[in-house]
Amino acid sequence: TQLLEQSPQFLSIQEGENLTVYCNSSSVFSSLQWYRQEPGEGPVLLVTVVTGGEVKKLKRLTFQFGDARKDSSLHITAAQTGDTGLYLCAGFTGTASKLTFGTGTRLQVTL
Amino acid sequence: GAVVSQHPSRVICKSGTSVKIECRSLDFQATTMFWYRQFPKKSLMLMATSNEGSKATYEQGVEKDKFLINHASLTLSTLTVTSAHPEDSSFYICSVTQGAEDTQYFGPGTRLTVL
Repeated sequence: TQLLEQSPQFLSIQEGENLTVYCNSSSVFSSLQWYRQEPGEGPVLLVTVVTGGEVKKLKRLTFQFGDARKDSSLHITAAQTGDTGLYLCAGFTGTASKLTFGTGTRLQVTL
Repeated sequence: GAVVSQHPSRVICKSGTSVKIECRSLDFQATTMFWYRQFPKKSLMLMATSNEGSKATYEQGVEKDKFLINHASLTLSTLTVTSAHPEDSSFYICSVTQGAEDTQYFGPGTRLTVL
């Protein structure tokens, strides 16, 4: 079983602060995706990283894929209340197109 | 990306009844769809892979006879929860895969409550 552990599980910060969410596994993934989910809705894709060591930026969000393609991180700069939600990493092994989801990080940003 | 809808968005049923949830790919012909369930404040767990024109592939621990999946067309997959019990109460989400990177696009989810 491929497990993706996210840390921290829960994070409560004030607007303007920076944060980093980690996604770790002992397995190698051919690609890894980050999603954000709001209560009562389906996950929405933020980014896909494919190459080991790859860094992608999406406005205030910076995503990094580990060199060995076993881990990833999401860094948010100057968090805003609109960033509040459940952040999920998901690894794709290429087998039957199945995604393995991480344990999730719940972010709460307050004024 | 692909646009996916689910119906109903919420359903409440009595214990012992069956409930059907629809997942539609609105702008993309999907030969494969995925069904997940999500418990409160938890991550998504893959239940099964729905294959158009053939039997679904279930993940270990998921009862095939309880969670019936039908993928009769390239735009529609249905999940029927048979003889529902309170422990089946959950958020059920479907997805389709599109693109060279096999990106998954998710539906808005269906909240099932079994009384």
